[in-house]
Amino acid sequence: DTEVTQTPKHLVMGMTNKKSLKCEQHMGHRAMYWYKQKAKKPPELMFVYSYEKLSINESVPSRFSPECPNSSLLNLHLHALQPEDSALYLCASSSQEGKGYEQFFGPGTRLTVL
Amino acid sequence: QKEVEQNSGPLSVPEGAIASLNCTYSDRGSQSFFWYRQYSGKSPELIMSIYSNGDKEDGRFTAQLNKASQYVSLLIRDSQPSDSATYLCAVSLIGNEKLTFGTGTRLTIIP
Repeated sequence: DTEVTQTPKHLVMGMTNKKSLKCEQHMGHRAMYWYKQKAKKPPELMFVYSYEKLSINESVPSRFSPECPNSSLLNLHLHALQPEDSALYLCASSSQEGKGYEQFFGPGTRLTVL
Repeated sequence: QKEVEQNSGPLSVPEGAIASLNCTYSDRGSQSFFWYRQYSGKSPELIMSIYSNGDKEDGRFTAQLNKASQYVSLLIRDSQPSDSATYLCAVSLIGNEKLTFGTGTRLTIIP
């Protein structure tokens, strides 16, 4: 079952709000990812967790704060966002086994910052 | 210089024909190659992975890899209107968590 779930599907927030995006996978994958995708652009990597430890931070502003409570869950905490942060936020997971780390994406959270 | 390049399209193909999507990459150390399909407003869906030179077939899809030419392609046979989407090529170094995406090719199948 190659399924990654994300909640909420849509989120509208003001620049002073604090909110969190959630991601869950039950495939036993050991790596989880956060991407940001703007319209007509490819996904842009933000963070990678490998074996529950942050392994890659692509110089993301501190108003985005990732958290990996366990191997199945990944959160992205949002605070004091800007309107330009409006985008589709994608979670992905991969097994980190074999030749290539196939990444499977969740449905995404459509974020609008007012 | 972009690391993974794709023709942005749009590429228009008649229904029933073969759609050919191309991707070139600059890092000769790249070992893993992926094609994702993304419908408008949806998330990317992995449709093919290829690691060795040659062809790999899965149903109507064939991925082709030529490492010497640093070129990977995706052929879609018997194209259907439901194949209309943006196709993203992604590349990584072996054992590397980081994917480098191309900008995607928008494919339209004309009934």
